[in-house]
Amino acid sequence: GAGVSQSPSNKVTEKGKDVELRCDPISGHTALYWYRQSLGQGLEFLIYFQGNSAPDKSGLPSDRFSAERTGGSVSTLTIQRTQQEDSAVYLCASSLRRQVGHQETQYFGPGTRLLVL
Amino acid sequence: KQEVTQIPAALSVPEGENLVLNCSFTDSAIYNLQWFRQDPGKGLTSLLLIQSSQREQTSGRLNASLDKSSGRSTLYIAASQPGDSATYLCAVVYMDTGRRALTFGSGTRLQVQP
Repeated sequence: GAGVSQSPSNKVTEKGKDVELRCDPISGHTALYWYRQSLGQGLEFLIYFQGNSAPDKSGLPSDRFSAERTGGSVSTLTIQRTQQEDSAVYLCASSLRRQVGHQETQYFGPGTRLLVL
Repeated sequence: KQEVTQIPAALSVPEGENLVLNCSFTDSAIYNLQWFRQDPGKGLTSLLLIQSSQREQTSGRLNASLDKSSGRSTLYIAASQPGDSATYLCAVVYMDTGRRALTFGSGTRLQVQP
């Protein structure tokens, strides 16, 4: 079956513009994560969705970042008024959440490479 | 602060060698530990996941071990090949959050020389 897909694969934008990044998780996966990978910072968690529960936004770096997940499937990460320090690879992952003790392998998409000029 | 550390940061070996990558984590209260591979410009590929109750997992030439009490994991690669060249990332899901988000190490960049 299809893996996690993300679009666009690359995005170049000007400082101050808004951008939207899309993630299509693996069908049937109830958990969805956004991570960011930037030079010098490594991979860091941004936001987590689980089913119909309220998302865990504790990793979002500022209020310019927001995300939504419609219908429990596709997710969009929005960055408003982009800054140069937002330049990074944004990775989406999904997992088939089960009860504690069962495997929860996270499967990653190819990422969106964002460059803010 | 809950962290994950990987050493070495980079490793270069001749083809055919067996090698060990190291990962350490600061809190033994974890759900699981996962090893990933990342090729340049690409996303992450999951290699092995070890539940907190397990001691090791094997897949082909890869073997990952977990010692929660010492906060360590190793990834053993047998008979390395040039195609193994990539960055290997270790990541842990700590128990104190309900989100199951991964905390990543900074990775080990592996180069296998033909």
